[in-house]
This record gives sequence, structure tokens and C-alpha cells, in this order.
Amino acid sequence: DTGVSQNPRHKITKRGQNVTFRCDPISEHNRLYWYRQTLGQGPEFLTYFQNEAQLEKSRLLSDRFSAERPKGSFSTLEIQRTEQGDSAMYLCASDGGELFFGEGSRLTVL
Amino acid sequence: QKEVEQNSGPLSVPEGAIASLNCTYSDRGSQSFFWYRQYSGKSPELIMFIYSNGDKEDGRFTAQLNKASQYVSLLIRDSQPSDSATYLCAVNLDTGNQFYFGTGTSLTVIP
Repeated sequence: DTGVSQNPRHKITKRGQNVTFRCDPISEHNRLYWYRQTLGQGPEFLTYFQNEAQLEKSRLLSDRFSAERPKGSFSTLEIQRTEQGDSAMYLCASDGGELFFGEGSRLTVL
Repeated sequence: QKEVEQNSGPLSVPEGAIASLNCTYSDRGSQSFFWYRQYSGKSPELIMFIYSNGDKEDGRFTAQLNKASQYVSLLIRDSQPSDSATYLCAVNLDTGNQFYFGTGTSLTVIP
């Protein structure tokens, strides 16, 4: 257990629905990252936060994706109007000099 | 060109042998280097990090860094079947910047 909590662990949804994932990082870590991983690939950077500020967002990230980190604590990643290509593992990582990953949220879009 | 490149494998070694995993990176400004292990269906877990040129040992694991060649490797001595996993190389430019991951090398240790 890394101390990073993600939920839900699994989400199955129909195409066109909205989904939201939550990440609770290690409390003393200011930086939080979101990654996406598909089978056979390494984690792909989505976005990261320094406290409540979203400092960088991948150019590959569609406008359907949005992330927040209110008050610099937990973070949410929302995907609107899901597509089958969004099916992946969504990983949250807490940065203490090295990344500590949560267990991930696996999304399946039917 | 990808920021971090790894041979996807699969790499197979017999139990007790040395497994050698390699990684190259493109940005000379890279400062920190990490090896993660990822079991199937699980999230990555940190094995080692290295910041300076040379070798760093931790138990059966040795990380090697050569910044001039932009190359980092991981050696696993006395490989065990439980070492069978995908090994991800990650590079960080500087504190606060994003971490770039390779696609991972799949390792199988044969009993």
C-alpha cells in the first residue's frame, strides 16, 4: 500500500456517459499526477498539479477530459461523453521525489 | 523520437541468472531516473532511483547510469520467478516536471 487511494477501482460505462475518478494522494505531497495506461504501453502523462494549481496538461488530452484539485488535497478526473478509445487504466501518482502510484481506476467503455 | 525507449521484450532468463534491462532517453537535461516494476493488472511500484553516474545497488538490484551515453540499465541478480513482470524506466527532467515513461520490458524468469 503506497498510501495513494483511487476510486472507483473499476468502472464500466456506456459510450457517451460521463465518468469521474477520484484520487487521494499522500497528504504531505504537494504534487499529484494523472496518467493513462493501455495494455502493452507505459503510463502516458495526462496532467499534474502543484497544490491546487494545474501546471501542465498533455497536448494529447481531449477537451472532454478535465481535472481538478480543490484545496490542494484530493483530485478528480472527469471524462465527458466517453468513447471506446477511453478504455484504459487511469493512474494517479503522488510525488515525493519519486512517484507513488495508486491502484488505478480501470475504465471500460462499451 | 520518444523521450524514453525500452526494448519491449519479452526477455526470458532462467532462475538464478542475471537479467539485464536497458533504457535510453533523449533529453540531456534529464536529472532523475527510476525503475518501476509492474505486475499484470497492477499499478507500477518503485524499485530504484538513481541520480548520479555510476552504479547503485540495492539487494539483488543494481541500477547503472551513464549520462554521456544517455543510458540507464537495471540488473537483477539471482533472478526469481517472482521477478517476472514488466519493468518500466522513467525519467524526470527536474523536480516538478513530468515523468516520462518507457513502454516497459516484459521479463519472464523460468523456474
